[in-house]
Amino acid sequence: EIVLTQSPGTLSLSPGERATLSCRASQSISSSYLTWYQQKPGRAPRLLIYAASSRATGIPDRFSGSGSGTDFTLTISRLAPEDFAVYFCQYYGSSLGTFGQGTKVEIK
Amino acid sequence: QVQVVQSGAEVKKPGASVKVSCKASGYTFTKYGISWVRQAPGQGLEWMGWVSAYSGHAEFAQKFQDRVTMTTDTSTDTAYMELRTLRSDDTAVYYCAGTGIIAAATLDYWGQGTPVTVST
Repeated sequence: EIVLTQSPGTLSLSPGERATLSCRASQSISSSYLTWYQQKPGRAPRLLIYAASSRATGIPDRFSGSGSGTDFTLTISRLAPEDFAVYFCQYYGSSLGTFGQGTKVEIK
Repeated sequence: QVQVVQSGAEVKKPGASVKVSCKASGYTFTKYGISWVRQAPGQGLEWMGWVSAYSGHAEFAQKFQDRVTMTTDTSTDTAYMELRTLRSDDTAVYYCAGTGIIAAATLDYWGQGTPVTVST
C-alpha cells in the first residue's frame, strides 16, 4: 500500500512569497496518477494539478507541479490572499486511492 | 456547466445505515466514474472507493470493504453510497466527485458534501 507523506504540516508565509509543498511516496509511483487538490475551510476540495504537472482548467499559472518517482512538489510562485488553504496530494494506483495528510498554508 | 449535488445532512444512531446520493449533470455520466471521499472533523481526506457509471464496477478501500456499497442509476445520473453498521468514528462529511473526466483517476468535480453524524 502506497503511503503519501506531505511536508511541512504547516507553512507560514506572507502574501507575495513563494510556497513549496512536498509530497513523498513510500515507493515509486507513476506521475500520471499524482494529483493535487486545494481545500478552503467549509468547502469541498478543488482539483489543482493532475498528472503531477498539468494545471486544471482555470488554475492560475502561479501554481505549478513537478516531480517523479517518489518525490513530488507543488509550488505557488507568489502567494495571493486566496491561496491560503490546505493542500492535499493524492495517488491512485492498483485499484486504490490514497491522500497525503495535507499541508496548511497560513498567513504569517 | 458541470454540477454535482449531494443529498442533505443525516443523523444516525450507531449500528444504523446511511445512504448518500450524488446527482451529476453537465457531462455524460455513463462515460466516467464517481469517487467517494470522507473527512472527519478537523481531519484530512480519506478515499473510500469509486464506482464506474459505465459498468457498475466498484473498488473500495480495504477498511470499508465489508460495510460499503456504491451504485449508480444511469436513468437519473445519480450515484449512491451506502455505509452500514455505523460507528461514532464514521461521523464525517462525505463527498462524491466526478472522476476521470479531465484525466485518468482525477477527482474533477466535487459535490458540496453531506455531513453524517453518528450519535446516540
